[in-house]
Amino acid sequence: GQNIDQPTEMTATEGAIVQINCTYQTSGFNGLFWYQQHAGEAPTFLSYNVLDGLEEKGRFSSFLSRSKGYSYLLLKELQMKDSASYLCAVRDSNYQLIWGAGTKLIIKP
Amino acid sequence: DAGITQSPRHKVTETGTPVTLRCHQTENHRYMYWYRQDPGHGLRLIHYSYGVKDTDKGEVSDGYSVSRSKTEDFLLTLESATSSQTSVYFCAISEGEETGELFFGEGSRLTVL
Repeated sequence: GQNIDQPTEMTATEGAIVQINCTYQTSGFNGLFWYQQHAGEAPTFLSYNVLDGLEEKGRFSSFLSRSKGYSYLLLKELQMKDSASYLCAVRDSNYQLIWGAGTKLIIKP
Repeated sequence: DAGITQSPRHKVTETGTPVTLRCHQTENHRYMYWYRQDPGHGLRLIHYSYGVKDTDKGEVSDGYSVSRSKTEDFLLTLESATSSQTSVYFCAISEGEETGELFFGEGSRLTVL
């Protein structure tokens, strides 16, 4: 079966750095996505990786290793507004998105 | 922000009643999706559409039907709602199957008593 694993919850301090990991086992691979979802709101797109390596976008970076079935989202200079759930999703060989259950990130002052 | 709206945003209904959720987009995107989101689960695809009158099932399609008579509208129908269908439903759109980035509506919270 297809599976996406990510930690259920993480806590970090304002101003710090946090890394959210995602491991996957899917039928084929056509890209990995990270979305942010604030409580009670819709998910919004953060990043996309299809090749191995690091993609940087401001305070957020996303890394992919296809051989290891592994990705992480790195958030720097954490702000209180970064408190949200972070969803990892993999596009499989049928171009369908398989979603992880999400990581709830709690930022403390 | 992508122009995508869902209605109703909140609904409480009783077991056995029919329910229809509407998704409306102003982006002229070809692909439209219905997902449900439940605690402890990732977003799960119910049905999707790749054009007018072209739809296909997702992983949790039992008990749901969809229709797309116009590019801008995608309807999700629960013919006879059950308590297990209590959930938050998200509509999403994308330009193409390979472009990947989904734009989500605000969500519709459905409670079946």
